[in-house]
Amino acid sequence: EAGVAQSPRYKIIEKRQSVAFWCNPISGHATLYWYQQILGQGPKLLIQFQNNGVVDDSQLPKDRFSAERLKGVDSTLKIQPAKLEDSAVYLCASSFRLTSGGAETQYFGPGTRLLVL
Amino acid sequence: DQQVKQNSPSLSVQEGRISILNCDYTNSMFDYFLWYKKYPAEGPTFLISISSIKDKNEDGRFTVFLNKSAKHLSLHIVPSQPGDSAVYFCAASAGSNYQLIWGAGTKLIIKP
Repeated sequence: EAGVAQSPRYKIIEKRQSVAFWCNPISGHATLYWYQQILGQGPKLLIQFQNNGVVDDSQLPKDRFSAERLKGVDSTLKIQPAKLEDSAVYLCASSFRLTSGGAETQYFGPGTRLLVL
Repeated sequence: DQQVKQNSPSLSVQEGRISILNCDYTNSMFDYFLWYKKYPAEGPTFLISISSIKDKNEDGRFTVFLNKSAKHLSLHIVPSQPGDSAVYFCAASAGSNYQLIWGAGTKLIIKP
């Protein structure tokens, strides 16, 4: 079974530029997550999709971040314009939505390491 | 406001001995706890979980203990192996959306 794919793996941009990340979840997984992980911290959820609908985007800085999941499969996360504090690893994860309760196991991609200069 | 805390940034253990990683939480609404393992340049990988209705869950060399009264959980690895060297994250969830709140991680180093 193929895992979660992400691209690019690394990106270096200057502040005020824009950047986009792509994620392809595991086939059949309805739920997709984007996390931001700053060095020395745990991942922080930015947005959660269930199929192509947004479940929670309460921690997404909507003035500069946007995300979409067209057709309920692939997803893109965009930052425009980038700030220095956006330097982090952006992780995409997916899970198969359970209906019987209990936390779902999330499967993570390798992440995109972003450096904003 | 850190709802999930891993107070030890790093831990060094001799190969073959027991590794004990600790995690504390503040939100009594958390009903599911998970441990993830992360190697450099890779995404986190699920390791083991425990529901709040249990106090212990075991999977091979890995055992997670939950003490609800103390709002504390721990991960025991016995015996520790070199391949266990990684960063270990504790995460918790509450509610039907299963969103995870993560600790900052503990870097485990297994010495030969």
